[in-house]
Amino acid sequence: QKEVEQNSGPLSVPEGAIASLNCTYSDRGSQSFFWYRQYSGKSPELIMFIYSNGDKEDGRFTAQLNKASQYVSLLIRDSQPSDSATYLCAVNSGGGNKLTFGTGTQLKVEL
Amino acid sequence: DTAVSQTPKYLVTQMGNDKSIKCEQNLGHDTMYWYKQDSKKFLKIMFSYNNKELIINETVPNRFSPKSPDKAHLNLHINSLELGDSAVYFCASSQDPGQITYGYTFGSGTRLTVV
Repeated sequence: QKEVEQNSGPLSVPEGAIASLNCTYSDRGSQSFFWYRQYSGKSPELIMFIYSNGDKEDGRFTAQLNKASQYVSLLIRDSQPSDSATYLCAVNSGGGNKLTFGTGTQLKVEL
Repeated sequence: DTAVSQTPKYLVTQMGNDKSIKCEQNLGHDTMYWYKQDSKKFLKIMFSYNNKELIINETVPNRFSPKSPDKAHLNLHINSLELGDSAVYFCASSQDPGQITYGYTFGSGTRLTVV
């Protein structure tokens, strides 16, 4: 079992729709969870982090965490073509001193 | 001012050569990392240094040797390059190694192609 799992996609949504990206992780001791966006040929950039169970909202983005189910998700409301990118889930693991990344979900927002 | 800068951005070299990649951060962070991203976009940690001390050394061939002359710099030297070393190498830094609360800041990456 991979430490952090994501569906590779591509996930296609029409412009203006809600995109839902999911991630599961195996280390129950994980404390902090991150979503990075990576455009093709660019470096990952941090868009959200969450530590507590529940929802955390920042603009059009909402991160959701369920530690009991070892599940974290990212919702993007009012999706725009500029949101088309690969979204990487990352989990604080290994005793806390590193981030372990999933393989990413490619999101395509279509006009 | 670039927060985490890597050089070079692109590196094309022949098998068997030795090459280095340099990384510098001006964020005042204590911890720096090297990650390798393969063609399937999987980011895998290689090394981490906290204030010049090696704290993470994943299963990486010993042809790869990191060096941190000070906490703002982390270099990666690769000996006897192989085709399988072709990837994008990202440097990153974070405020705290013990419990990463604010994530990493990544450099722009070095695309290494071994021919």
